[in-house]
Amino acid sequence: DGGITQSPKYLFRKEGQNVTLSCEQNLNHDAMYWYRQDPGQGLRLIYYSQIVNDFQKGDIAEGYSVSREKKESFPLTVTSAQKNPTAFYLCASSRDSSGEQYFGPGTRLTVT
Amino acid sequence: KQEVTQIPAALSVPEGENLVLNCSFTDSAIYNLQWFRQDPGKGLTSLLLIQSSQREQTSGRLNASLDKSSGRSTLYIAASQPGDSATYLCAVRRSNYQLIWGAGTKLIIKP
Repeated sequence: DGGITQSPKYLFRKEGQNVTLSCEQNLNHDAMYWYRQDPGQGLRLIYYSQIVNDFQKGDIAEGYSVSREKKESFPLTVTSAQKNPTAFYLCASSRDSSGEQYFGPGTRLTVT
Repeated sequence: KQEVTQIPAALSVPEGENLVLNCSFTDSAIYNLQWFRQDPGKGLTSLLLIQSSQREQTSGRLNASLDKSSGRSTLYIAASQPGDSATYLCAVRRSNYQLIWGAGTKLIIKP
């Protein structure tokens, strides 16, 4: 059953703690992406990776970090430097950087 | 700078009606345009992708059109059903990797 999985579905953290969101795909896609979604706004790109061991900042990378050590995995760490981390986080992948993007089910992060 | 707008932000119609959702963009130099569906608290499902050289794409009861010169795309839903209730998002791809997103139209189909 091919697709993109994100875990956990809901995540709660105290302010000041780092937290890592998981994203795994078995579609054999080269490119992977992390987006943030806030109510009433379009998705905003945090980081993207076109190939293993390479990633680039998106529009709102401050306070976030990623790694791409394996083709199928692209974890996102929300650090304590991110001022407003509470949001819905979506991971996506595509065959290559110009291909159609496929999305995971999302992780809702709440920081109090 | 490319901006994508979806109006209205919300729409409620009776079951069975045909309806049109709108997406406008400011820069006509696009690679393609994609329509997505999002159910509450869920990820996005790709509905239709229109390449910049195409005028429309169809899938079942859905038809998406693209007019680059006027910076507009429409998503036509025929014979709407309560199961069509969701938020519909459009995204424009520039010549590189990046998608520019609209904020979405929340559609409610009343039984």
